[in-house]
This record gives sequence, structure tokens and C-alpha cells, in this order.
Amino acid sequence: GESVGLHLPTLSVQEGDNSIINCAYSNSASDYFIWYKQESGKGPQFIIDIRSNMDKRQGQRVTVLLNKTVKHLSLQIAATQPGDSAVYFCAGNKFYFGSGTKLNVKP
Amino acid sequence: GAVVSQHPSRVICKSGTSVKIECRSLDFQATTMFWYRQFPKQSLMLMATSNEGSKATYEQGVEKDKFLINHASLTLSTLTVTSAHPEDSSFYICSASLETDSDNEQFFGPGTRLTVL
Repeated sequence: GESVGLHLPTLSVQEGDNSIINCAYSNSASDYFIWYKQESGKGPQFIIDIRSNMDKRQGQRVTVLLNKTVKHLSLQIAATQPGDSAVYFCAGNKFYFGSGTKLNVKP
Repeated sequence: GAVVSQHPSRVICKSGTSVKIECRSLDFQATTMFWYRQFPKQSLMLMATSNEGSKATYEQGVEKDKFLINHASLTLSTLTVTSAHPEDSSFYICSASLETDSDNEQFFGPGTRLTVL
């Protein structure tokens, strides 16, 4: 089965700084990865996705990097804002979620 | 577009009762819906995949007789927690799959908080 995990449970950053959230996976058969954001008491919200044939994809203020060699992906958030405070999950093949990283943005 | 709703948003029930949770795709048809549960400060755990007009596919360790799933239409899936007990207290989240020509994306409902007394 799929095993997706995150390196750090909590990340604190200063408002305006860049944030990097990491995720490791074990199943190399995954052909699709997604980053989700979940605010307290709410359902997950899609942020950005990346296919396995890509190594980088950029969105608005967010960039996802995929390193298939070491089975690692990261989410970079530029100019982090207080509204970015949430738990971030990566998911492989859309169904299996990592344990989540809580992002705290300090004003 | 691509909005998924859940009802109720919060429910408190006595042990031994059954609780039904509805998941609706409001502006699109979803042939596949997914049910997750989430314990506090933990990740989402996939419980089952619900396909319209057929039996749900349950993940290992999830009791299908305990968690009844019905996907009677392309916009509605229901999860019934039968004979609920306090250990069933959790945050239940559904998602609906929207297929386009180039992608297949999941849209999540806002979740249902179940508390069993």
C-alpha cells in the first residue's frame, strides 16, 4: 500500500518569510501527488498537484518540487501570510495522506 | 464551482444509535466519492470508496457492516454509522471526484463532527 509521511509535525515561520514543508513517500508507483491545506475544523482544500513525470510545478505563491530519486516532495510557500496558518498534507495517488505538518505563521 | 456539502455538520448521539451523514456534490456529478475519518491532530484515513450504483470498496480494517455506505445517485453518498459507540467519535469527511479531460481532482466536504456519548 501507499505510505506517505512528513518530516516535521510543526513549522513556525515569521510573516513574510518563505515556508518549506517536506514529505516523503515509499510507493514509487504513485503517479500523482497533491498538497492539501486544512484549517481547524474544516475539510481539506486543494493547493497544488504534480505528476510523477514532472519535478517542479508553480502556482500562485506556491511551488511543489518532486525528487523521485529520493522519493521526496516539498511545498514552498512564498511570503507566508497569517492566512496560511493551517495543517498541510501531502497525498499520494490522491487517497493516502501523510501525517500532516502544522504551519504557524507569526506576525 | 465543484462544491461538496455535508450534512449534518455536527451531531451528538447516544451510544447504540445509528447516525446518517450525507455527502452531496452540489454543482457536478461524481461517479466516485470517498469517505475519510480523522481523529484529533491526526491525518485523514481513507475508509471507503463509494461508486454510484455499486457496492462500496472498504479499506482494510474498516467494518462494512458498521459503516454502511450508499451511493444512490451521482450527487449523493451517505455514510451510516450503525450502533455508534464512543470510539466512533471522530471527524468524518467526504470527497467527490471530478473528472475532466485532463485531470481527476477530489473536492472535499466541510466534514461532520460526530460525538457519541
